[in-house]
Amino acid sequence: QVQLQQSGPGLVKPSQTLSLTCAISGDSVSANSASWNWFRQSPSRGLEWLGKIYYRSRWLYDYALSVKSRMTINADTSKNQFSLHLNSVTPEDTAVYYCSRLIGLGVLLDWGQGSLVTVSS
Amino acid sequence: DIQMTQSPSSLSTSVGDRVTITCRASQDINTYLNWFQQKPGKAPKLLISVASNLQSGVPSRFSGSGSGTDFTLSISGLQPEDFATYYCQQSHVTPYTFGKGTTLEMK
Repeated sequence: QVQLQQSGPGLVKPSQTLSLTCAISGDSVSANSASWNWFRQSPSRGLEWLGKIYYRSRWLYDYALSVKSRMTINADTSKNQFSLHLNSVTPEDTAVYYCSRLIGLGVLLDWGQGSLVTVSS
Repeated sequence: DIQMTQSPSSLSTSVGDRVTITCRASQDINTYLNWFQQKPGKAPKLLISVASNLQSGVPSRFSGSGSGTDFTLSISGLQPEDFATYYCQQSHVTPYTFGKGTTLEMK
């Protein structure tokens, strides 16, 4: 049973960097069979995929165009976790953020508990 | 980006009813289609993957069908715990995209 545990601040000031971490149990962040994804959900934008990281002999990344210039995902194999960093945030980035594991034929089976992040001064 | 169009956006229904939700992709996604259930304050829960594969532990009253661009989620014999919002989502290509959701409301 894979579990994803999210952590990070719930309040970020405009122009600063939003950082969240997703700790993995039951699988490895460097598993060849999985990718590790970030999503967010807000009333205005619905459910939105932000990006993913995955290991296939080397680390690979894929980001949504809407956040590509501001977003970085990295992995910490020693802690078996991956993190999202979104810089230059605005109130538009206020949302519930989720991490998720994708396996097999595009199956998003496992999700973190969600983190409400508010961007406000 | 692949657009996912779900209908209806909401449905007023009763316990015991049969419900059908449709999802149309703006281009062929083969069967790379997931269905999720979401309740307030909770993460999406995967019900059906690859268009028709019922996830372990999900009641058999849920079923999915379709391929290409047109997909359907059916719930036969609606139960009180099924009143929630349902989303379709394509995993054929990034950016992975979702429908806007269908909310089942109690009549």
